[in-house]
Amino acid sequence: DAGVIQSPRHEVTEMGQEVTLRCKPISGHDYLFWYRQTMMRGLELLIYFNNNVPIDDSGMPEDRFSAKMPNASFSTLKIQPSEPRDSAVYFCASSFDEDLTKNIQYFGAGTRLSVL
Amino acid sequence: GQNIDQPTEMTATEGAIVQINCTYQTSGFNGLFWYQQHAGEAPTFLSYNVLDGLEEKGRFSSFLSRSKGYSYLLLKELQMKDSASYLCVESSGTYKYIFGTGTRLKVLA
Repeated sequence: DAGVIQSPRHEVTEMGQEVTLRCKPISGHDYLFWYRQTMMRGLELLIYFNNNVPIDDSGMPEDRFSAKMPNASFSTLKIQPSEPRDSAVYFCASSFDEDLTKNIQYFGAGTRLSVL
Repeated sequence: GQNIDQPTEMTATEGAIVQINCTYQTSGFNGLFWYQQHAGEAPTFLSYNVLDGLEEKGRFSSFLSRSKGYSYLLLKELQMKDSASYLCVESSGTYKYIFGTGTRLKVLA
């Protein structure tokens, strides 16, 4: 398998524009996670899905952020309108239910977002 | 990262041994992971502990004490390519990871 695939790798946009980040999880994985990484706060979980259903979105910063998973092989994270403080690396990760506790997550290469 | 405490930076010499410590809050604990992240790359899985004791995997070992809320990652025979950030990660609650901010390890020749 090619692993978790994210696009684009880099995104530069202007404040106020809409940004859409994309993720293709590893085939057969039933969990998908969106994270944001900054120098100050490290890796923060934004939202995760199980079988395409959002389970916990308590990490989503505010209403400007939304995430969807229309099918098992695709998810999007949208920011509208974007702000400079959204600049970060956004990672997508996927995993499968190996057992009730061990849940190794496999990360995509990330999208580096710069909002000017 | 909330609840996770690990040193910000460490420096060691090629061929040496280094131990990276991590403490976490014990409520709702499901397991403790260590991930490696090279600059500009994605985190990759290194080790997993759910029971007390030492798990060894080649040059890397990870230890857990659940009663103390303590773990460490031990790296032996350090190589230059081990220069990276090492993330202590608590699995707390169903499938949720809580990441530490990571320990940036520099390996010097």
